[in-house]
Amino acid sequence: DQQVKQNSPSLSVQEGRISILNCDYTNSMFDYFLWYKKYPAEGPTFLISISSIKDKNEDGRFTVFLNKSAKHLSLHIVPSQPGDSAVYFCAASAGYQLIWGAGTKLIIKP
Amino acid sequence: DSGVTQTPKHLITATGQRVTLRCSPRSGDLSVYWYQQSLDQGLQFLIHYYNGEERAKGNILERFSAQQFPDLHSELNLSSLELGDSALYFCASSVRLATSTDTQYFGPGTRLTVL
Repeated sequence: DQQVKQNSPSLSVQEGRISILNCDYTNSMFDYFLWYKKYPAEGPTFLISISSIKDKNEDGRFTVFLNKSAKHLSLHIVPSQPGDSAVYFCAASAGYQLIWGAGTKLIIKP
Repeated sequence: DSGVTQTPKHLITATGQRVTLRCSPRSGDLSVYWYQQSLDQGLQFLIHYYNGEERAKGNILERFSAQQFPDLHSELNLSSLELGDSALYFCASSVRLATSTDTQYFGPGTRLTVL
């Protein structure tokens, strides 16, 4: 039973354009959502997070939007840069555990 | 560099064997988490230790066990290995106890291949 789903295994975006990565969840008890970025041969690194009491959080080029009624969150990257090419994981906090999505591979084209 | 170290980087072994994966957290971090990532899947939470005590268990098999030592490094022991145990094993550390607001810093992972 996948409580956190990232339905797009990969996404290709032109450099300079907006990248939108999506994540759906099923458990309304999740209280915190996080996005991590992962390069090959490295562990995931924290990118941005959002509390369930908010609907938006912004950090530089990265913005996360939370739609609780739809149980959906999205990560917007504007403008997309070559260094953004990586796998992006969405994770949801359930007490002492993080529940992870399967990841979306973002490819930024020149 | 996250400050979390994991050894070894790669491990190749045979079915039925036992292996130990080691993790050293960032200096000052009291929490250690272990995750398993199988091919093209998300990270599966295995177990969480805080200051030497087990705090939470995820989908960890009975053949797997872990511990956190007084110097805060942690070891994950995998025994009676099966082909399906082949995966990337990540360790992460954080300063405090809660996952919600505490950033987890990940090591580079150990790639385990069971033949």
